[in-house]
Amino acid sequence: SQKIEQNSEALNIQEGKTATLTCNYTNYSPAYLQWYRQDPGRGPVFLLLIRENEKEKRKERLKVTFDTTLKQSLFHITASQPADSATYLCALPDDTGRRALTFGSGTRLQVQP
Amino acid sequence: GAVVSQHPSWVICKSGTSVKIECRSLDFQATTMFWYRQFPKQSLMLMATSNEGSKATYEQGVEKDKFLINHASLTLSTLTVTSAHPEDSSFYICSARGGTGGFNQPQHFGDGTRLSIL
Repeated sequence: SQKIEQNSEALNIQEGKTATLTCNYTNYSPAYLQWYRQDPGRGPVFLLLIRENEKEKRKERLKVTFDTTLKQSLFHITASQPADSATYLCALPDDTGRRALTFGSGTRLQVQP
Repeated sequence: GAVVSQHPSWVICKSGTSVKIECRSLDFQATTMFWYRQFPKQSLMLMATSNEGSKATYEQGVEKDKFLINHASLTLSTLTVTSAHPEDSSFYICSARGGTGGFNQPQHFGDGTRLSIL
């Protein structure tokens, strides 16, 4: 069955540093992958979508890579700020016709001032 | 753009009550809406998928008679938790997908409904 793995341990970094989060998946050949941010008690907010034929995508301080051979995506936040503290979710479309998203368990990022 | 509104944000009610949660896409037409449930410190689990004008597709283990979904228009889907019990207490989140581009469009999420059954 499809499986998405994210590091369940919180990532603590200093303000100004680059945060790197990992998403690994198995039994999957997704056409695209998405990253979301979720704050406590709120719904996820869409950040970036990267397609299988794209190696890298950037949006402001965010960068996502997608390695379909390794079955891995890396999510980077450069020049991190305390306001970036949140849980970041990796999501992939399921292999049914409706393409609902299946989410990883998320990685909590804490940026220290 | 791509705003999804979910209401109510918080519900506390007695066991046996039925609770309706609304999910609206405010600035786009949502051809497909999804309902998720999230327990503390866990990820989102898909409950069901609904397309406007047709019956919802439920995930394995989700009781369709317990969680009634109606997607009557391209901007509104409702989830009714019937005869709710304490074990139904959870954070329910809807999302919507629409516009051009079909399945490759991102899903946009509401802010969730915290349901507490006493």
